[in-house]
Amino acid sequence: NAGVTQTPKFRVLKTGQSMTLLCAQDMNHEYMYWYRQDPGMGLRLIHYSVGEGTTAKGEVPDGYNVSRLKKQNFLLGLESAAPSQTSVYFCASSIGQRSPYGYTFGSGTRLTVV
Amino acid sequence: GNSVTQMEGPVTLSEEAFLTINCTYTATGYPSLFWYVQYPGEGLQLLLKATKADDKGSNKGFEATYRKETTSFHLEKGSVQVSDSAVYFCALLYNQGGKLIFGQGTELSVKP
Repeated sequence: NAGVTQTPKFRVLKTGQSMTLLCAQDMNHEYMYWYRQDPGMGLRLIHYSVGEGTTAKGEVPDGYNVSRLKKQNFLLGLESAAPSQTSVYFCASSIGQRSPYGYTFGSGTRLTVV
Repeated sequence: GNSVTQMEGPVTLSEEAFLTINCTYTATGYPSLFWYVQYPGEGLQLLLKATKADDKGSNKGFEATYRKETTSFHLEKGSVQVSDSAVYFCALLYNQGGKLIFGQGTELSVKP
């Protein structure tokens, strides 16, 4: 099925370890996004991309880096994980600015940093 | 700045009860408005949307009307089912960079 695929689905890291979350979409969408979801805080935008080779900071970018080397992939990196980064991470994509269809979301990655 | 405020949950209803989840927004210009639903263990799915004032979005028995005069987009359903138990997010999309802004989410629990 077409859509947004996130890997891995679950991960436990030790403080200070690094990891990369992968997001892949097969809908030829230009825009891609990384959000984190925390209880009582809704979804907060970490970084986003408006096209291949571009990235931009969102609301809570500190401690994360991203890359968009290919249009279909958007990677989120944690260089030195901290317990405050324990969260559920969602990737999303859209056809462009003010998409009338909103976003398509992946199923999420649950990350625990101990 | 732009923001979305939802009523706090959790909301607990009996099956076939009437549902209202309040959503108000602050935005410059004319944003598009959305309701997303998140079932347990899953990602967010688009439930309905409205792109201009007085538009009514509807899907699966849910409705919401874009009220510019009250800056609101309240979600309603006439008769909820146990399968509607989920977290509901109101969101707005504004011009700059096409970024969705979410409310904090409202958890709905429907009991048989």
